[in-house]
Amino acid sequence: ETGVTQTPRHLVMGMTNKKSLKCEQHLGHNAMYWYKQSAKKPLELMFVYNFKEQTENNSVPSRFSPECPNSSHLFLHLHTLQPEDSALYLCASSQDRQGNEKLFFGSGTQLSVL
Amino acid sequence: GQNIDQPTEMTATEGAIVQINCTYQTSGFNGLFWYQQHAGEAPTFLSYNVLDGLEEKGRFSSFLSRSKGYSYLLLKELQMKDSASYLCAVLDSNYQLIWGAGTKLIIKP
Repeated sequence: ETGVTQTPRHLVMGMTNKKSLKCEQHLGHNAMYWYKQSAKKPLELMFVYNFKEQTENNSVPSRFSPECPNSSHLFLHLHTLQPEDSALYLCASSQDRQGNEKLFFGSGTQLSVL
Repeated sequence: GQNIDQPTEMTATEGAIVQINCTYQTSGFNGLFWYQQHAGEAPTFLSYNVLDGLEEKGRFSSFLSRSKGYSYLLLKELQMKDSASYLCAVLDSNYQLIWGAGTKLIIKP
């Protein structure tokens, strides 16, 4: 148990669907992250939030829309996805956004886009 | 460009020792992380090296040579539960994490 919980664990959606991924951390951390993990590829940082403010968006397509209502919750809203978006989506948190702090990850949402 | 290289897959025997290498070319260096990720589970922090040398933590040790752009993770007395992927990540000069693709370690009885 890492203290970071992601739901759902698995999601299958069509290209015209709208769905949301949820992440919750119980660690009192101030920074939260969305990562994409594809098989045999490095983790790709998508978004960073620090104290509820988005600080980084790494050229992510607009069909991915993050939301951070408070420091404990992070959402990733999905719409009109493409099959190449199928991957494991990991949420992580750290005490602050200083870079040299260890990340606490959730177990991820395995997304399949049909 | 920035690059992290680590072997895709390694196999070792229960009770033995295995060394997982990681080489990097990055714009600056502010530390190197190792994470362990069991299949279907969250990556978990193993170690952070910022100075040269070996740091030991139980059965796991991590080594860093900044001049060579090289690190390794050493696992001793291997157990079946050590079967997992091991992720190497470097913090560059902008404090951005650059990740390797991970090494899948298979432990055989």
